[in-house]
Amino acid sequence: DAKTTQPTSMDCAEGRAANLPCNHSTISGNEYVYWYRQIHSQGPQYIIHGLKNNETNEMASLIITEDRKSSTLILPHATLRDTAVYYCIVRRPDSGYALNFGKGTSLLVTP
Amino acid sequence: DTEVTQTPKHLVMGMTNKKSLKCEQHMGHRAMYWYKQKAKKPPELMFVYSYEKLSINESVPSRFSPECPNSSLLNLHLHALQPEDSALYLCASSRTQGETQYFGPGTRLLVL
Repeated sequence: DAKTTQPTSMDCAEGRAANLPCNHSTISGNEYVYWYRQIHSQGPQYIIHGLKNNETNEMASLIITEDRKSSTLILPHATLRDTAVYYCIVRRPDSGYALNFGKGTSLLVTP
Repeated sequence: DTEVTQTPKHLVMGMTNKKSLKCEQHMGHRAMYWYKQKAKKPPELMFVYSYEKLSINESVPSRFSPECPNSSLLNLHLHALQPEDSALYLCASSRTQGETQYFGPGTRLLVL
């Protein structure tokens, strides 16, 4: 699975959009981009995933660049409950079963 | 519904104790996973069950013994653990291998 690079930490004001970047310059054609988050001491929560088209669900939007070398997770109206570590994971569906979480981005949403 | 439940939420055990962690899902998923997460580290895979058969053991010590009695239930039996085994133990499931994994809330284990 391709390696990902994320900023260590980010801040966002409550009510504003949180834009979390992820670089995956070695991504291959059949690898998906997954986003999970982990609120302190809880289990990871699946957010969204995509292959090449932008995706949106009730939690977030995923924007993947045309060359697929980077992506951005957008939380449109961040709340205090969105404070968490956000993990960008790139993987092939048939690449085995472990999720390589990496170090993630610690997002702090402030009042 | 994407709920995976785990019991107990917290567990304290001595090094000579035997205990079990339980994980349950009713989403019809046929792949189930155990992960271990140490403080300030990402989760690490321990075991994978696919169609109730053990398909991956990531070189986990034998003091951890997984069991999948049916397609909805996954257990992790613990025996003679060490203090360094203290961690958050996470269960996850997916429809089949390689598909999106959904996690439970975890069991926080303390070994004294």
